[in-house]
Amino acid sequence: AQSVTQLDSQVPVFEEAPVELRCNYSSSVSVYLFWYVQYPNQGLQLLLKYLSGSTLVESINGFEAEFNKSQTSFHLRKPSVHISDTAEYFCAVSEGGGYQKVTFGTGTKLQVIP
Amino acid sequence: DSGVTQTPKHLITATGQRVTLRCSPRSGDLSVYWYQQSLDQGLQFLIQYYNGEERAKGNILERFSAQQFPDLHSELNLSSLELGDSALYFCASSGAAGGQDSGNTIYFGEGSWLTVV
Repeated sequence: AQSVTQLDSQVPVFEEAPVELRCNYSSSVSVYLFWYVQYPNQGLQLLLKYLSGSTLVESINGFEAEFNKSQTSFHLRKPSVHISDTAEYFCAVSEGGGYQKVTFGTGTKLQVIP
Repeated sequence: DSGVTQTPKHLITATGQRVTLRCSPRSGDLSVYWYQQSLDQGLQFLIQYYNGEERAKGNILERFSAQQFPDLHSELNLSSLELGDSALYFCASSGAAGGQDSGNTIYFGEGSWLTVV
């Protein structure tokens, strides 16, 4: 069965500093990996995803994540965070197939400090 | 706008009552998912339907039930409500089997806030 582990429940970081949110997964088959972001009082929005091809994927707002098959990781990084990045971030894994079963991690709250 | 529509946005009801949450998936999406998000439990997967059939079940209580109709909209029924059922309930949808892009991405609605008093 697939599972996702987000090791950090909260990550405080100063504005303009780099950040890494960690995500590890387990699965016996090939997977698709996602990061979702939830801003306060809003639903979850897709931030970026890895389906195939290049292992480094980027979002439009400067986040990137790298699929590392050997380490079964999909860590999310940003070189310089902004106050507006304060949100909760969820890593998710899907084994695909005819009907997708998606498993979410427990989320990491990113708190950007001015 | 994700294309997933949930109603109502906010609901306040008393313990013991029954409520129905409604979800319209993105146009063409066959899969519908229901999630519960609360402060103490985080994001919990409840149930998934695919083209009208139940496909996966998560931490859904026996007091809760769901269904997906022929027009692909879905309803989540919560009965004998307790204070602990107060939470944000999300509906999400994803595309048809074999889809390359949207088939593997889940799109979330804005959620239905349920407060049980």
